[in-house]
Amino acid sequence: GAVVSQHPSWVICKSGTSVKIECRSLDFQATTMFWYRQFPKQSLMLMATSNEGSKATYEQGVEKDKFLINHASLTLSTLTVTSAHPEDSSFYICSARRQTYSNQPQHFGDGTRLSIL
Amino acid sequence: EDKVVQSPLSLVVHEGDTVTLNCSYEVTNFRSLLWYKQEKKAPTFLFMLTSSGIEKKSGRLSSILDKKELFSILNITATQTGDSAVYLCAVERGGATNKLIFGTGTLLAVQP
Repeated sequence: GAVVSQHPSWVICKSGTSVKIECRSLDFQATTMFWYRQFPKQSLMLMATSNEGSKATYEQGVEKDKFLINHASLTLSTLTVTSAHPEDSSFYICSARRQTYSNQPQHFGDGTRLSIL
Repeated sequence: EDKVVQSPLSLVVHEGDTVTLNCSYEVTNFRSLLWYKQEKKAPTFLFMLTSSGIEKKSGRLSSILDKKELFSILNITATQTGDSAVYLCAVERGGATNKLIFGTGTLLAVQP
């Protein structure tokens, strides 16, 4: 069964709205979670690494103030797209791994399809 | 700059055919190579490879890694329509956060 849960799966909202996406590890603790973005027919691009209890690490070109990440507990990370605009429409996916530094793969949530009108 | 390159970009086969998907990489501080299958939602894990020459197998799927030549292949035998998907190759970098670098994927279409 799923080991990473992501919610909501689909969001449609007006331009200027802020949207929060949740990513939960279901039966394990994840000190690190990852947020990806995927445009149609393209691969996954890492946006940021979410670290429990500390600031997220953003990839080059990703706006920290635009994509707010909070990792307040060992099982939950949130991504908030602030003042979303149509160009932010995309498929957002989170992932987590059971233990850092071990031979465990990252498992992905089902993704959130965000459509900004 | 780190990169992961997959080929072919797309492939159309008939049920029963065998396919081989390729993944080459240039990544500093290599830790592992992973294969995922992506249908309509998020990727689902297939294989994780860390050592050269050791084949991993799951049913009709198998994969192997060559760390000297910096590539991996994913084989699917006796393909079925349910194998139709995008197959993603990703390389995990070692370090504090173990980031994944994804290839562009191979779109496989299996026709009945």
